[in-house]
Amino acid sequence: EVQLVESGGGLVPPGGSLRLSCAASGFTSTLYWMAWVRQAPGKGLEWVATIKQDGSEKYYLDSVQGRFTISRDNAKNSLYLQMRSLRADDTARYYCASHPYYYGSGNQDWFYDYWGQGTLVTVSS
Amino acid sequence: EVVMTQSPATLSVSPGERATLSCRASLRVGRNLAWYQQKPGQAPRLLIYGASTRAAGVPARFSGSGSETEFTLIISSLQSEDFAIYYCQQYDNWPPFTFGQGTKVEMK
Repeated sequence: EVQLVESGGGLVPPGGSLRLSCAASGFTSTLYWMAWVRQAPGKGLEWVATIKQDGSEKYYLDSVQGRFTISRDNAKNSLYLQMRSLRADDTARYYCASHPYYYGSGNQDWFYDYWGQGTLVTVSS
Repeated sequence: EVVMTQSPATLSVSPGERATLSCRASLRVGRNLAWYQQKPGQAPRLLIYGASTRAAGVPARFSGSGSETEFTLIISSLQSEDFAIYYCQQYDNWPPFTFGQGTKVEMK
């Protein structure tokens, strides 16, 4: 069974930092591009960042570029999101998600097939 | 950036009835469109990708159609477990990947 389990959320003051983690199991996560998607309380979904299988390509939402860093440790089947200079509008539940990988062709796709349950980040003084 | 607009914001439907949800893209996205279902307190769940392909385990009462800028999700006969919020997402022109603001399907 595929599982993505996020951790590391919590209450942090404006300007603070936090590191989120996502542990993957039940599939060969090293073959998959991975992503972080967030959801502010009572709001819709917002893509935050995506990383290639080997970490050589990373893409970010403009509003987090330069403040957030996505990374992965394939030996640990883990995905990370280092967040710095946090602002009140970063308050959200952060989901780890995978982009599909097609074993036959070796290609990937750009929707999200597996999601974790999310970890809540609250930025407030 | 491709802006995704969903309508209506809220859809009131009785169990057994048909629900029709719309999603419009501000630029052409081909058939690179996915639909997700989200229930309270849960993570989103993939329903449809490629505009019309049901994900594994998704009941046949869910169907997607459309291309380029106009897309539709139809739930042919609403079951109690289908009351939720539905989001569309384009993945043709990125970054950023963009979602619609959601349509809440509620019981009438």
